[in-house]
Amino acid sequence: ELKVEQNPLFLSMQEGKNYTIYCNYSTTSDRLYWYRQDPGKSLESLFVLLSNGAVKQEGRLMASLDTKARLSTLHITAAVHDLSATYFCAVDMSGDTGNQFYFGTGTSLTVIP
Amino acid sequence: GAGVSQSPRYKVAKRGQDVALRCDPISGHVSLFWYQQALGQGPEFLTYFQNEAQLDKSGLPSDRFFAERPEGSVSTLKIQRTQQEDSAVYLCASSFDESGANVLTFGAGSRLTVL
Repeated sequence: ELKVEQNPLFLSMQEGKNYTIYCNYSTTSDRLYWYRQDPGKSLESLFVLLSNGAVKQEGRLMASLDTKARLSTLHITAAVHDLSATYFCAVDMSGDTGNQFYFGTGTSLTVIP
Repeated sequence: GAGVSQSPRYKVAKRGQDVALRCDPISGHVSLFWYQQALGQGPEFLTYFQNEAQLDKSGLPSDRFFAERPEGSVSTLKIQRTQQEDSAVYLCASSFDESGANVLTFGAGSRLTVL
């Protein structure tokens, strides 16, 4: 069974600081996604990573994928309060007959002014 | 429509009642997914449709759960004889193929509370 683990589960950081969220998964896949979820809201797509070594950046967030290590990272640079949310990684295990995304446990980020 | 629409947004059911949750995906999106999200957890896969064909229902937790998409557009997730452990947010997502990737667009979800 595929396992997708994120750490930390909870993160409290001050504005202006940098931090990295890690997503480890237990089987081979070269497609990984990052989503953001605000309280009581649905999930919003942030990044799509489709190959080993892929790096995407949007504002203060940067995501990378190392398929050999089965690891993706979401790096936060100079955090601001607006980034407070829960972040999920999802591994794409789409196949010929099935189409499944396995989500991580989520990282709840709180940015403190 | 502009996004994935789900209804009802909130549903309270007494244990043993049947419920039906509706999903209206983005027009033209072939793929449709249902996920269950318990409080404080990540979404867990329930089932997947490609047009009207249900290609994967391996995530449905029991035979009380049933999903359909008869015309390849709107989908309904039905839960029979609800139990307290069914309480969760049920998320629907549709997707299109973008350069080999499935980019999921989620609806706002239907929050089910079983008393």
